[in-house]
Amino acid sequence: AQKVTQAQTEISVVEKEDVTLDCVYETRDTTYYLFWYKQPPSGELVFLIRRNSFDEQNEISGRYSWNFQKSTSSFNFTITASQVVDSAVYFCALSEGDTGTASKLTFGTGTRLQVTL
Amino acid sequence: NAGVTQTPKFQVLKTGQSMTLQCAQDMNHEYMSWYRQDPGMGLRLIHYSVGAGITDQGEVPNGYNVSRSTTEDFPLRLLSAAPSQTSVYFCASTSGRWTSGRGELFFGEGSRLTVL
Repeated sequence: AQKVTQAQTEISVVEKEDVTLDCVYETRDTTYYLFWYKQPPSGELVFLIRRNSFDEQNEISGRYSWNFQKSTSSFNFTITASQVVDSAVYFCALSEGDTGTASKLTFGTGTRLQVTL
Repeated sequence: NAGVTQTPKFQVLKTGQSMTLQCAQDMNHEYMSWYRQDPGMGLRLIHYSVGAGITDQGEVPNGYNVSRSTTEDFPLRLLSAAPSQTSVYFCASTSGRWTSGRGELFFGEGSRLTVL
């Protein structure tokens, strides 16, 4: 069975600090997809990234970067120079297999990030 | 630019009442799903559908029914509401072809349900 663990329940940082959110996953499939979603205080779910299991390249998007390591089953998310607007709950999620399971995500319990001035 | 539309956004029910949460998407997506979000538990899959006429259970299906008569709509029915069903419900859809494209699972804005 698939599982996603976000061990950090809550993180508080001061603006401009870098912060890394951890995500560890478990799956028996060789094909799977990993996601990060942001949930701001307004409650909607904002898609950040999807990573395929066969693509281990790390990715950078502005202040956001993701480190995917199959050897440790981790998909960590780093925010560089954090800003108050980054305050939100961040969810890591996993989908196993290919078509047919595309709408079945297993979510972690989320990490609440609080960025203060 | 409607995307995934959920109604209602807020609902208060009494124990034993029934209701339907509506979900519609205008992106011609094959795959749709319902999740519930509870404090400290992330999102959990209730039911999902891989196309019109095809549905299956997720992790927490008890107390909920679904049907998929059209590609666009995927309503979630609570037949006899219980306080344990107090939660925020999210509907989602995707094309499913994640080997190409942005591969996003699009979510609705959520429906907050309180059962007294």
